[in-house]
Amino acid sequence: EVQLLESGGGLVQPGGSLRLSCAGSGFTFNSYAMSWVRQAPGKGLEWVSSISGSDDSTYYADSVKGRFTISRDNSKNTLYLQMNSLRAEDTAVYFCAKLGCTGVYCWYDYWGQGTLVTVSS
Amino acid sequence: DIVMTQSPDSLAVSLGERATITCKSSQSVLGGSNNKNYLAWYQQKPGQPPNLLIYWASTRESGVPDRFSGSGSGTDFTLTISSLQAEDVAVYFCHQYYSIPRTFGQGTRVDIK
Repeated sequence: EVQLLESGGGLVQPGGSLRLSCAGSGFTFNSYAMSWVRQAPGKGLEWVSSISGSDDSTYYADSVKGRFTISRDNSKNTLYLQMNSLRAEDTAVYFCAKLGCTGVYCWYDYWGQGTLVTVSS
Repeated sequence: DIVMTQSPDSLAVSLGERATITCKSSQSVLGGSNNKNYLAWYQQKPGQPPNLLIYWASTRESGVPDRFSGSGSGTDFTLTISSLQAEDVAVYFCHQYYSIPRTFGQGTRVDIK
């Protein structure tokens, strides 16, 4: 059974940093690209970032480029999102999501339960 | 960026009746090399993550009831729930994975009339 478990969310002041983690199990972690998708309270879904299975390609939304860094440790089956210079508009539930095929141009077949990030003074 | 626009924003349908949601993309999401539409549909219930229903515009994910179907090509797509059940109350999102940045529709809330 595929499982994705996020952690690391919490309350942080504007300008602060936070590191999210997503532990994957039940699948061959290094064979699949992974993404972070966020959802502000009561709002829709916003793609944040993606990383290829081999870690050699990363992609970012313009809204987070230069502030967020996606990475993965395939030896630990874990995906990360380092978030710096956080703003109030980054407040959201952050989901990690597994791509449904062994490529980057693919749908999301499994999602974690999400971790809430609140940016507020 | 490809803008995904869903309609309506919300709809209420009687139990057992048909619910239809449309999704329009600002550019074609049809792949030239494989002739597939890079379009997925998700269902999200309150407090839960999205759940995959349909990919390649019309391929139903394993375990998804066959009352859910997807159709369309190019820029115009439809998600149909053929006979609405109480457990189908949720928000539905379309999603294009044709290009970066990935984008989603704004969501359509489906309720029971």
